[in-house]
Parts: sequence; structure tokens; C-alpha cells
Amino acid sequence: ETGVTQSPTHLIKTRGQQVTLRCSSQSGHNTVSWYQQALGQGPQFIFQYYREEENGRGNFPPRFSGLQFPNYSSELNVNALELDDSALYLCASSSGGTDTQYFGPGTRLTVL
Amino acid sequence: QKEVEQNSGPLSVPEGAIASLNCTYSDRGSQSFFWYRQYSGKSPELIMSIYSNGDKEDGRFTAQLNKASQYVSLLIRDSQPSDSATYLCAVKYTGTASKLTFGTGTRLQVTL
Repeated sequence: ETGVTQSPTHLIKTRGQQVTLRCSSQSGHNTVSWYQQALGQGPQFIFQYYREEENGRGNFPPRFSGLQFPNYSSELNVNALELDDSALYLCASSSGGTDTQYFGPGTRLTVL
Repeated sequence: QKEVEQNSGPLSVPEGAIASLNCTYSDRGSQSFFWYRQYSGKSPELIMSIYSNGDKEDGRFTAQLNKASQYVSLLIRDSQPSDSATYLCAVKYTGTASKLTFGTGTRLQVTL
């Protein structure tokens, strides 16, 4: 167990809806990164938050947005859901200044 | 486009044998390398990190890094059926915050 938690575990939405996924980082970690993993693929970097500021973003459209709170927990918001957004969404926490990231259990999102 | 390449497999090895997993990356300006294990339906679990040329051993696992040839490998000695999983290679490229770039993973099957 890494100490990183995510909720919910599974989620089913329909096209056009909005979704919020949540992540609590490991104790002592101030950096949270979000990844999308489609079936059969490696995780793709969405963005990273460090001390409540976005600190890097991957090749995802603006309808993917996030927040980090003072306790370093984080949210990923996706608006106007598309079928291709169906994937495993992974949150990873790390300590600022180190590259090692520890993943939470993930949220499986299905868009119908 | 910074890439990480892995053979998707499956790589099949008999129980007790050595499994050798390979990964190449596209940019010499990379600094940190990671191997994650991912069981079906689960999130990635960190196995090893390596930062310098040469070998790094941890129990049955050995990571090998050759920056001149731009490859990193993972050896699993005395392979067990419980090692059957997908192994993801991840690279942290210089100047990309703490973004990890993943390969698509190699599926390892350890047979009895």
C-alpha cells in the first residue's frame, strides 16, 4: 500500500456530463500528478500540482482541469465527457524535489 | 516527441528462470528511470528506480542502465508465477517537471 487514496473506485457517466475525481496524497508528499491509462496503453501524463499550483501539463484539452488543496489532496475535473475519456485515471504522489512517484489504486471511468 | 519503447510481449518464461525486460528511450537528456509492475485491473506499483549507469540490485530484481545506448532493462531472477504482470518502463526527461513518460508495457507470463 502506498498511502495514496482515490475516490470513487468506479464511475459510469454519459457523454456530455462532467466528472470529478479525488485523490489524497501520501503523508509528507506535496506533489500530485494525474495520469490517464487507456486499455493496453501506458499511463499518459495529464498534469501535476505542486503546492496548489499547476506545475506542468500534458497534451490534454482544457476540459481537463484540476485543483490542489492546502492539505495537498487533489481533484481532477473533466467536462463535456467523450467516449474516448473512458480509462483508468491514476493519481500519483511524490515529494517535491524527487522524481519517484507512488500511484493510488485508480478510478475506472466508463463513458457511455 | 520524447518516447519510451517496450516490446509488448507476452514474454513467457518458465518458473525459476531469469526474465529479461528491455526498454529504450529517445532522448539522451533524461535523468531518472523507473520500473513499475501492474497486475491486471490494478494500478502501477514501483519496483525499482535507477539514476546512474550500471546495475542496481534489489532482491530478485536488477535494473541496468546504459545512457550511451539509451536503454534500461529489468532482470527478474528465479521468476515466480506471482511475477506474471505487465511491466512498465518510465522515464523522467530533464526539464519536464516531474512528468513520467511511460512505455506501453511488456506482459510477462511465468509458466509452471
